[in-house]
Amino acid sequence: EADIYQTPRYLVIGTGKKITLECSQTMGHDKMYWYQQDPGMELHLIHYSYGVNSTEKGDLSSESTVSRIRTEHFPLTLESARPSHTSQYLCASSEFRGGFGNTIYFGEGSWLTVV
Amino acid sequence: QKEVEQNSGPLSVPEGAIASLNCTYSDRGSQSFFWYRQYSGKSPELIMFIYSNGDKEDGRFTAQLNKASQYVSLLIRDSQPSDSATYLCAATNFGNEKLTFGTGTRLTIIP
Repeated sequence: EADIYQTPRYLVIGTGKKITLECSQTMGHDKMYWYQQDPGMELHLIHYSYGVNSTEKGDLSSESTVSRIRTEHFPLTLESARPSHTSQYLCASSEFRGGFGNTIYFGEGSWLTVV
Repeated sequence: QKEVEQNSGPLSVPEGAIASLNCTYSDRGSQSFFWYRQYSGKSPELIMFIYSNGDKEDGRFTAQLNKASQYVSLLIRDSQPSDSATYLCAATNFGNEKLTFGTGTRLTIIP
């Protein structure tokens, strides 16, 4: 199991504001991910990281950016929030189980509403 | 065609019965498969993973994998109302750092 902490859990902000969603994990996992999920809809991978100083864009194009300066920390930033950014953002990290791929564990999510 | 496909449901099952959730995948290179449960408004939580053909049991849950048919299923025995949730199937290759998720099947257990 992984302990993954996301803050804030719920946020309402105005259009044009800059916002950073924080994500920290305490298990020393190298790989971390950000997913975006609208209510009742499927998960979309927007960013991932293999380790410190590694960041990659995911399958869904996103105007957000990420950084990975420390193993345990993977923040996501929106420079100028828009109503279209309203969604749930899920941070995750993964544990490598030998040859069987990575098992991903999720944080509790950050609900962002842009008004 | 999506890489991982699930029937979106809703699937309604009487309490105490067996719930059967199905998933197909298109990438023959997929090696490991995962089932996640997601309650409304919550994040997904891992139920179990499987990588070998056949059945894998964990409590009331059984995952089944058939690589020849590219088919994964999850059986929930003695279904409880607390099992009502959306169940996500996911697949990954060896060395692939990303998990590909299906759209999920919404399961409702009827008391």
